[in-house]
Amino acid sequence: GAGVSQTPSNKVTEKGKYVELRCDPISGHTALYWYRQSLGQGPEFLIYFQGTGAADDSGLPNDRFFAVRPEGSVSTLKIQRTERGDSAVYLCASSLRDGGGYTFGSGTRLTVV
Amino acid sequence: GENVEQHPSTLSVQEGDSAVIKCTYSDSASNYFPWYKQELGKRPQLIIDIRSNVGEKKDQRIAVTLNKTAKHFSLHITETQPEDSAVYFCAAVNDYKLSFGAGTTVTVRA
Repeated sequence: GAGVSQTPSNKVTEKGKYVELRCDPISGHTALYWYRQSLGQGPEFLIYFQGTGAADDSGLPNDRFFAVRPEGSVSTLKIQRTERGDSAVYLCASSLRDGGGYTFGSGTRLTVV
Repeated sequence: GENVEQHPSTLSVQEGDSAVIKCTYSDSASNYFPWYKQELGKRPQLIIDIRSNVGEKKDQRIAVTLNKTAKHFSLHITETQPEDSAVYFCAAVNDYKLSFGAGTTVTVRA
């Protein structure tokens, strides 16, 4: 596609529920990144995919968070047993190669009530 | 890991004046330094970037300088306009990972 697409744009869920956030990167971009942005803060790294594999998941806060990219294109960020502290904007970015040319999606605003 | 510090956190300037935002980074292996502009509820948009083999880069009213020895880089916006009002983030990249500063909220007063 023309840009990085993220769905849904907004998600409200109850504490304890499971959510999935989707990212559709720019066609041909092999690198995909997930970031989390809390109010008034800069985006924080969660996970990086190169192709289908998670090359670096060191930013995932705990084992309730998991992400997949089974065919090397679309990625899904999965959060189990959501907590109010998970409320944030989840941003996805993709790039043609490592180290530059990052394009961000518009993000998914997750609110856990 | 990389630690990026950004100052000031807020900046208010009169239209037409200049705005300067400064960042420092900790990892000497970082070699790419992009700046992003983020308007309320929107995605971060790349406005300018600089690589470690360059000391300065300019694009119309925006310029970025990099001092690798001191590990700091700065964004300069000249002749500010109301549409420059936004949150600006600096970032440093080592290999593939973008590490962001905390952001500067710039307000241009008409």
